[in-house]
Amino acid sequence: EDKVVQSPLSLVVHEGDTVTLNCSYEVTNFRSLLWYKQEKKAPTFLFMLTSSGIEKKSGRLSSILDKKELFSILNITATQTGDSAVYLCAVETWAGSYQLTFGKGTKLSVIP
Amino acid sequence: DAGVTQSPTHLIKTRGQQVTLRCSPKSGHDTVSWYQQALGQGPQFIFQYYEEEERQRGNFPDRFSGHQFPNYSSELNVNALLLGDSALYLCASSYDSAFRSYTFGSGTRLTVV
Repeated sequence: EDKVVQSPLSLVVHEGDTVTLNCSYEVTNFRSLLWYKQEKKAPTFLFMLTSSGIEKKSGRLSSILDKKELFSILNITATQTGDSAVYLCAVETWAGSYQLTFGKGTKLSVIP
Repeated sequence: DAGVTQSPTHLIKTRGQQVTLRCSPKSGHDTVSWYQQALGQGPQFIFQYYEEEERQRGNFPDRFSGHQFPNYSSELNVNALLLGDSALYLCASSYDSAFRSYTFGSGTRLTVV
């Protein structure tokens, strides 16, 4: 059974701090790893990672994948209150079609 | 460019009843996947529809069924509702190609009482 584990499950930081969110996985037929931000309902896409060691960046957010050790990290620098959300890690696998398996998410709270 | 539209946004049903949730995919997307997200949990895959057929299914009982229409929109039906079916139901659309992009709707919040 495919498994995606995120840590920590929750995190409280002050504005301006840097945070690192972790995602490890054990799956069959890995295709990619995706990060989403979920503020209220709809998860919104952040990154899709397919290759090891290549960092993807978008503003203050960055992410990297290690396919040998089967994990990914999401970094957020200079956090703002608007970064408060649940961050979901999903692994895309192939079993006749593409499917996403999600972790439980990390709830990030940024306080002023 | 319309994103993924789900209806209704909220729903309250009684145990034993049946419910139908609807999803219109993003323009250009031909694949619809349904997820159940219980409170404090990550989304769990229910099933996926492509070319009006159920292509893949997660670990959900037969009480959960679906349909995809020729215009790619989809329905999720749940029969004999249980209290444990209370959750946020998310629909995600994508295009079946080597380059995949998943777009999620805002979901339907189902409460079973």
